[in-house]
Amino acid sequence: SAVISQKPSRDICQRGTSLTIQCQVDSQVTMMFWYRQQPGQSLTLIATANQGSEATYESGFVIDKFPISRPNLTFSTLTVSNMSPEDSSIYLCSADRDSNYGYTFGSGTRLTVV
Amino acid sequence: EDKVVQSPLSLVVHEGDTVTLNCSYEVTNFRSLLWYKQEKKAPTFLFMLTSSGIEKKSGRLSSILDKKELFSILNITATQTGDSAIYLCAARPRGAQKLVFGQGTRLTINP
Repeated sequence: SAVISQKPSRDICQRGTSLTIQCQVDSQVTMMFWYRQQPGQSLTLIATANQGSEATYESGFVIDKFPISRPNLTFSTLTVSNMSPEDSSIYLCSADRDSNYGYTFGSGTRLTVV
Repeated sequence: EDKVVQSPLSLVVHEGDTVTLNCSYEVTNFRSLLWYKQEKKAPTFLFMLTSSGIEKKSGRLSSILDKKELFSILNITATQTGDSAIYLCAARPRGAQKLVFGQGTRLTINP
């Protein structure tokens, strides 16, 4: 299965600022996925990122708040904009590299907004 | 709306016990069910199940799918403290790339 490098691993940010999270996959993948995991909760899909087209956002998530880039088949970024303490979560990227082994996740970004 | 429900939400057992985690799903055009273990941040893949009645096994962990009753179980035998984690179940609809996750089961193994 794919190896996904995600950074930063963690960050503490001031409210009102923005943070960009990067994910690099070790092989080409068609789709990448961005998830949020709020404290004590399960994973919630934010959006699906295809190369060369706009990301598809899930209900409750908007591009202005969570802009996504997907410049090529191995890389994607998620920006958390105009942050508030409610954005404090773990953010995870994921890709389906090998259909026999499920989806691989990046190492995660633990974001704390103060 | 596609839905995945896990039970119990939390479980505390002693080292050496056997545990069974449950996952039921309601997914349009079901394709596969996946189990993950989450210890810190990143979920790690355990099993992918697509066919009913075929047990998948990896060491002390095993899992099986029942497509008629729309559920799966994850068994862990002779539990160890290193098995303490959140276990996530996710369903994948046919024709869709995205996964639908359950709430997770927080498993704690006490020595």
